Amino acid sequence: SAVISQKPSRDICQRGTSLTIQCQVDSQVTMMFWYRQQPGQSLTLIATANQGSEATYESGFVIDKFPISRPNLTFSTLTVSNMSPEDSSIYLCSVEDGGRWTQYFGPGTRLLVL
Amino acid sequence: AQSVSQHNHHVILSEAASLELGCNYSYGGTVNLFWYVQYPGQHLQLLLKYFSGDPLVKGIKGFEAEFIKSKFSFNLRKPSVQWSDTAEYFCAVNAPNNNDMRFGAGTRLTVKP
Repeated sequence: SAVISQKPSRDICQRGTSLTIQCQVDSQVTMMFWYRQQPGQSLTLIATANQGSEATYESGFVIDKFPISRPNLTFSTLTVSNMSPEDSSIYLCSVEDGGRWTQYFGPGTRLLVL
Repeated sequence: AQSVSQHNHHVILSEAASLELGCNYSYGGTVNLFWYVQYPGQHLQLLLKYFSGDPLVKGIKGFEAEFIKSKFSFNLRKPSVQWSDTAEYFCAVNAPNNNDMRFGAGTRLTVKP
């Protein structure tokens, strides 16, 4: 399975600012995903990011709030814009395992917004 | 859209006890089923998965799960838990040819030494 890293691992941010989270994979993958895991809750898919195309957002998530870049097959970024305390969460990226419909997850970015 | 229900929010067991965590899904068609585990301070790891074939699937660390189509269930089992199995367990489902993966709320397992 792919090895996935995320930066930063955690951050504390002020309300109204933005944070960009990076996701790096050690092999080329077509599909990458961004999830949110709010405290005590399960994972919720934010968007699917394919290289060379616009990200596809799930209901309740919009590009202005969560812009995503996917410049190549091993890297993606998620920006959490104009943050509020409600954005405090763990943000995870995952990759799909070569057409086998299985996802592997990065370690996550723990975000606290004050 | 598919949804996943995990019945147990928190399960507490003693070492060597048997484990069964419930997972039911709501989806009318063929599904792929997964169990993920998140150990304290670590990232989500794939425990096992079911796509087709033998409905009894064996995963890592002695875990297994049984797909019962008539009950829309994919329960996770382990005959004898260890303290190191303390973790959060998530059931997930997606449809074939669809990467839209839905997760259950998770079950926190605490194993007492």
